Amino acid sequence: SAVISQKPSRDICQRGTSLTIQCQVDSQVTMMFWYRQQPGQSLTLIATANQGSEATYESGFVIDKFPISRPNLTFSTLTVSNMSPEDSSIYLCSVGQFSYGYTFGSGTRLTVV
Amino acid sequence: GIQVEQSPPDLILQEGANSTLRCNFSDSVNNLQWFHQNPWGQLINLFYIPSGTKQNGRLSATTVATERYSLLYISSSQTTDSGVYFCAAISGATNKLIFGTGTLLAVQP
Repeated sequence: SAVISQKPSRDICQRGTSLTIQCQVDSQVTMMFWYRQQPGQSLTLIATANQGSEATYESGFVIDKFPISRPNLTFSTLTVSNMSPEDSSIYLCSVGQFSYGYTFGSGTRLTVV
Repeated sequence: GIQVEQSPPDLILQEGANSTLRCNFSDSVNNLQWFHQNPWGQLINLFYIPSGTKQNGRLSATTVATERYSLLYISSSQTTDSGVYFCAAISGATNKLIFGTGTLLAVQP
């Protein structure tokens, strides 16, 4: 199955600032996915990142708040913009592969103060 | 979209005990996975099991697709089994993996 490197693993940020999270995959994949996990909650899909086109956002998530880049088939970034304490969560990227299912990066634990 | 429900929400076990976690889903599935999230937040893929039965050491899983449920069995539990167990599913033509609410497992020595 694919191996995903996600950075940073954790960060503490001031409100009003932005943080960019990176995910690098060791093989080419068509779609990458970004999830948010708020404290004590399950995982919620933010958006699907497609190479060569704009990301597709789920209900409740907007591009201005969570801009996503997908410059090639092995890399994607998620930016959390104009952060507030409510953005404190774990953010995870994921890729899917036939017969293996979906694999996740190690996650970015974000705390906004 | 598909709804994924898990039970029980919380479970406390003594080391060495066995347990069964359940996942119900509202529609036919193309993908059904079980994950373990450890206390550091890492999400570990346990099983990719849209149907049938699989075993890996002390863990096994069974998905009965026609009845829309999956079971995760943990035998001879250890303290390292503690954490949250999620099932997640994909239904229809979408590629979106939808997560259940999770089962929080605490294994006490």
